[in-house]
Amino acid sequence: SQQGEEDPQALSIQEGENATMNCSYKTSINNLQWYRQNSGRGLVHLILIRSNEREKHSGRLRVTLDTSKKSSSLLITASRAADTASYFCATDRGSQGNLIFGKGTKLSVKP
Amino acid sequence: DADVTQTPRNRITKTGKRIMLECSQTKGHDRMYWYRQDPGLGLRLIYYSFDVKDINKGEISDGYSVSRQAQAKFSLSLESAIPNQTALYFCATSDPSAGYTGELFFGEGSRLTVL
Repeated sequence: SQQGEEDPQALSIQEGENATMNCSYKTSINNLQWYRQNSGRGLVHLILIRSNEREKHSGRLRVTLDTSKKSSSLLITASRAADTASYFCATDRGSQGNLIFGKGTKLSVKP
Repeated sequence: DADVTQTPRNRITKTGKRIMLECSQTKGHDRMYWYRQDPGLGLRLIYYSFDVKDINKGEISDGYSVSRQAQAKFSLSLESAIPNQTALYFCATSDPSAGYTGELFFGEGSRLTVL
């Protein structure tokens, strides 16, 4: 079964606006990762946040993790049309040695 | 050249046929994975391998088998394809450190259609 669930399923914004996507998960994790997928292409890793971290930044990306609520958020600031893609969270439960992906949020940024 | 290469990129086949999807990597990673992507369902793990002698089932392994021929090669087989195996298949690799699963590196995918 899916471990992570992204919310919303789809998001449409104007260029320059911020985009926020949320991920909830069910069991304890070692780390949580966010990936991006352009239509029909392979996934590309964006950022990893460990279970003992609360916030992490990478360029225009900001990820937060709340282990008490079993949730994470990905914020993309000053979005661009090129940010149009699907975004997935993935959880590493440590002992399993693999990642479990959510269903993704489809982001559309209109110029 | 891509670090993780999948072949074929597209394949149309008929019900009952045997299909092999191949994955090769030049990243030198020990861990390799096969995922399946269906619209609205995200990615689901089929099989994963920690090294040549270590193969593990994922959440949807029924109807699939794998072979880890070398550190760099990991193949996925459908012994008798059925239409609900129509999907986009991804191979990925990782180089875990510090005892956790690190970043996955994905191939470009193999789109399989079973008629």
